[in-house]
Amino acid sequence: ETGVTQSPTHLIKTRGQQVTLRCSSQSGHNTVSWYQQALGQGPQFIFQYYREEENGRGNFPPRFSGLQFPNYSSELNVNALELDDSALYLCASRIQGINTIYFGEGSWLTVV
Amino acid sequence: AQKVTQAQTEISVVEKEDVTLDCVYETRDTTYYLFWYKQPPSGELVFLIRRNSFDEQNEISGRYSWNFQKSTSSFNFTITASQVVDSAVYFCALSEAGGGSNYKLTFGKGTLLTVNP
Repeated sequence: ETGVTQSPTHLIKTRGQQVTLRCSSQSGHNTVSWYQQALGQGPQFIFQYYREEENGRGNFPPRFSGLQFPNYSSELNVNALELDDSALYLCASRIQGINTIYFGEGSWLTVV
Repeated sequence: AQKVTQAQTEISVVEKEDVTLDCVYETRDTTYYLFWYKQPPSGELVFLIRRNSFDEQNEISGRYSWNFQKSTSSFNFTITASQVVDSAVYFCALSEAGGGSNYKLTFGKGTLLTVNP
């Protein structure tokens, strides 16, 4: 049990639509990050939030945005979906004081 | 820039064989962390181990062992007496030491391990 849960587990969207993926962490998980994993590839870092502020971003366009809330939950929003956005999206969080990063089960997004 | 290379794309073994998964990394940081994760078909990344750059002691946990060699920038993972349940994709990852609360992970492309009965 990692203490990180994601929803939804699977979803299908149409190109051009917007999607919101959610992540819930347990108390003390003060750093949350999101990763995109395309089929057959390793996860790629999208961005990270610490104390509700974005403090690191990977090579992703601005249509990928996020939020972190005081209750340790977070969101990943993707606007103007493209076919290449089809991937597994993973939420990861770190327990304060412990440098181990735990992942949720992921959200499988298919864009058609 | 950080980089992780897992040269083995796929490995297939027969149950009870030992298998070693290779990981080579590049970083300019003097302090960093190395990780191994297991990803079964369900998709969740399961944490296996974290190693600090200043701790080069090898570690054994049951059938799993890790060999960290800073001189060759390698962090290899060995499964002894493999089992069918070990079949998964295994990822090696690297992160900075967390200065400024930056815990970005850089992953390798993963190694698909298939253990046949």
